[in-house]
Amino acid sequence: QKEVEQDPGPLSVPEGAIVSLNCTYSNSAFQYFMWYRQYSRKGPELLMYTYSSGNKEDGRFTAQVDKSSKYISLFIRDSQPSDSATYLCAMSAGGNNRLAFGKGNQVVVIP
Amino acid sequence: GAVVSQHPSRVICKSGTSVKIECRSLDFQATTMFWYRQFPKKSLMLMATSNEGSKATYEQGVEKDKFLINHASLTLSTLTVTSAHPEDSSFYICSARAGTRGDTQYFGPGTRLTVL
Repeated sequence: QKEVEQDPGPLSVPEGAIVSLNCTYSNSAFQYFMWYRQYSRKGPELLMYTYSSGNKEDGRFTAQVDKSSKYISLFIRDSQPSDSATYLCAMSAGGNNRLAFGKGNQVVVIP
Repeated sequence: GAVVSQHPSRVICKSGTSVKIECRSLDFQATTMFWYRQFPKKSLMLMATSNEGSKATYEQGVEKDKFLINHASLTLSTLTVTSAHPEDSSFYICSARAGTRGDTQYFGPGTRLTVL
């Protein structure tokens, strides 16, 4: 079993729809959870950062972490064509531990 | 805040030459920087972890003599691909850990290396 599982998609949605992305993980020591957005031929950009369980909202983006289920989610409301990108989940146990990444989920928002 | 730059953004070189890529944290000090490699439509593959003032820690399967990493200061790390070959062609991305938000890493824009 891989440390982090993320369905690579692709996921196509019409403009204005809600995009729902998720990752599952196996390492119960993970406590820092991140979502990155990566446009083609660019480096990943940090979108959301969450420590431990709970919800976090930032504009149209909401991140949820359920440590009991080892499941994290990212929701994008009122999706825009500019949201078309690959979304990577990442997590860490902290300290000097590396980040474990999901494979990335390609999202296409159709105008 | 938390901006990381990389230079060059794109480089084309002949087989057998060496290429140096710079990674800088512009507005914060990064005690730890990371170097990743990414193939098309694939996730990030960690190559090495670089701590300021000490030797880099390489991941299994990454040749340390081929991919030389130097972390000379709290804002600069360099990756040198020595005697590059076409199979080294890839997208190389660095990241820096800010240290103020757990293990959050901030990524540079990446360097596209093409070896002819």
